Amino acid sequence: GAGVSQSPRYKVAKRGQDVALRCDPISGHVSLFWYQQALGQGPEFLTYFQNEAQLDKSGLPSDRFFAERPEGSVSTLKIQRTQQEDSAVYLCASSHPGGGLPAFFGQGTRLTVV
Amino acid sequence: GESVGLHLPTLSVQEGDNSIINCAYSNSASDYFIWYKQESGKGPQFIIDIRSNMDKRQGQRVTVLLNKTVKHLSLQIAATQPGDSAVYFCAEATNDYKLSFGAGTTVTVRA
Repeated sequence: GAGVSQSPRYKVAKRGQDVALRCDPISGHVSLFWYQQALGQGPEFLTYFQNEAQLDKSGLPSDRFFAERPEGSVSTLKIQRTQQEDSAVYLCASSHPGGGLPAFFGQGTRLTVV
Repeated sequence: GESVGLHLPTLSVQEGDNSIINCAYSNSASDYFIWYKQESGKGPQFIIDIRSNMDKRQGQRVTVLLNKTVKHLSLQIAATQPGDSAVYFCAEATNDYKLSFGAGTTVTVRA
């Protein structure tokens, strides 16, 4: 597609439930990023992939968060045993074939934990 | 209209006027900066970027100014239009992949 595609757009999870958020980057983009955006705030870095390699996961809030990109294209962000503080918009971005920045973002997945 | 200070989260501007959105960044080692526009329910949209070896860069109706001495970045929008209403974020990078975003400025264009 023309842009970064994320699914689902909205997700409501009960506390303790596991969720999986999907990201389809722009075709041919080497770099892929996940960010978390709390209401009224700027995005916060979670993790970075170059192809299938996860080069930086320093922003993941806890070991309940896990991201993968097994074939170097589609990526999944998984959150286990969701908690209310996980409620946020999760943004995926990818960057040009050379990698690096700038990052081009998808529309995000709004996660609400009830 | 102009936003001033370290953190003024809203800016109201008359349609047709020029807008100036200001941003103070925190890391003197940052060497790359991006302005993003985020409309309600959408992801951040790339507007313009600038590297630290430049102090000014122009795009279509937008200009970014960088003052490294005082760690200040600004985005100027010429002839502001209703479609410019959004939240604007400045982001800084100290390496080639991680962005740190500011708190954002909400711009409202008055008809």
